Amino acid sequence: DTEVTQTPKHLVMGMTNKKSLKCEQHMGHRAMYWYKQKAKKPPELMFVYSYEKLSINESVPSRFSPECPNSSLLNLHLHALQPEDSALYLCASSQVNSEQYFGPGTRLTVT
Amino acid sequence: AQSVAQPEDQVNVAEGNPLTVKCTYSVSGNPYLFWYVQYPNRGLQFLLKYITGDNLVKGSYGFEAEFNKSQTSFHLKKPSALVSDSALYFCAVRGRYNFNKFYFGSGTKLNVKP
Repeated sequence: DTEVTQTPKHLVMGMTNKKSLKCEQHMGHRAMYWYKQKAKKPPELMFVYSYEKLSINESVPSRFSPECPNSSLLNLHLHALQPEDSALYLCASSQVNSEQYFGPGTRLTVT
Repeated sequence: AQSVAQPEDQVNVAEGNPLTVKCTYSVSGNPYLFWYVQYPNRGLQFLLKYITGDNLVKGSYGFEAEFNKSQTSFHLKKPSALVSDSALYFCAVRGRYNFNKFYFGSGTKLNVKP
């Protein structure tokens, strides 16, 4: 099974809302990632968890808050977002030193 | 610093013809290189990787890539393009000092015409 699942597929939220994105993998991967992708652009790394510990935060604004409850799950908590945060949010996982497997993404629209 | 460059925003090819999508890299040390494909409104899918060994790497869906150290290139190829290969292709390199950091190229839109 090489599947990474993400929920929800689509999310529309107001600037004062709080919402969460969820990601799950059962491949035994110990690295999990959040990326933000704008249309026709490469994914931009936001956060990396390695062995359930936050190892990379690419200077992401605090309105984005990641959480890794266990080795299979990754959440991204959203609060007080701006319209420019509208994008496709991708989760990925990998073994160390190996390729990444991406989920289908959550299309986020901030109104 | 690690980086990859994809010099072509778009590549057009007729169905049945060979295709090449270009990628050059700039890394210190031995590069770990990857190709991914992205269909509209989907996540990225892994195609192939070069870690070490044979310079010609074979991957999914009939794609292959040639690692050329002297030209610092890792071009993606396919002998006979399909209309269904039309998608956005990304080259990536793994970070040298942080193995969990990957640097993506700007992407190349491949259009395969019937």
